[in-house]
Amino acid sequence: DAKTTQPPSMDCAEGRAANLPCNHSTISGNEYVYWYRQIHSQGPQYIIHGLKNNETNEMASLIITEDRKSSTLILPHATLRDTAVYYCIVRVGNQGGKLIFGQGTELSVKP
Amino acid sequence: SAVISQKPSRDICQRGTSLTIQCQVDSQVTMMFWYRQQPGQSLTLIATANQGSEATYESGFVIDKFPISRPNLTFSTLTVSNLSPEDSSIYLCSVEGGGSNSGGLYNEQFFGPGTRLTVL
Repeated sequence: DAKTTQPPSMDCAEGRAANLPCNHSTISGNEYVYWYRQIHSQGPQYIIHGLKNNETNEMASLIITEDRKSSTLILPHATLRDTAVYYCIVRVGNQGGKLIFGQGTELSVKP
Repeated sequence: SAVISQKPSRDICQRGTSLTIQCQVDSQVTMMFWYRQQPGQSLTLIATANQGSEATYESGFVIDKFPISRPNLTFSTLTVSNLSPEDSSIYLCSVEGGGSNSGGLYNEQFFGPGTRLTVL
């Protein structure tokens, strides 16, 4: 079973920041938080991952709470092309190993 | 990032037949995985394809129904046997642990585009 809880859907206005929450209250010390997204009819796309520090790349920022029981994915300037299902996943280690997908959050970016 | 192709991209099959799906990667990778995505659902891991040995199957998936081959570090096949309408899904392969152009190891999984199977 997935170890994360996400809201089933969210809306965001184009050009605004999209903040997607994820609860992972049972996360272990050696488990990383990964975010993927799946645009309709495509394979999932890696976005970002982290252990305990906040992370930023060209796509998004990942904010992990100090107790690591929750995190937030931030898309700083959402566009219509960011409309997708976003999956938050925790897994042991950061190389190799299976990903267990939950139901994700369906983000709709609206003009 | 790794470039992954799957063949066929889609197929329509008759009940009782089998379909073999190919997954090809443009570079050698350590790990390859097969997932199933049923209509309107999230992804479910079927198995880890191990090079040179039998695949490792997740609970609820068996080798007789989903035989997997992995003859080398860039290629794998998944066969869905004795098809029924309940097997209608998208099947995706993913890879991890390959070498990037910069010489580092990938620490994320890359997914193929998927194969859409419809069973009549």
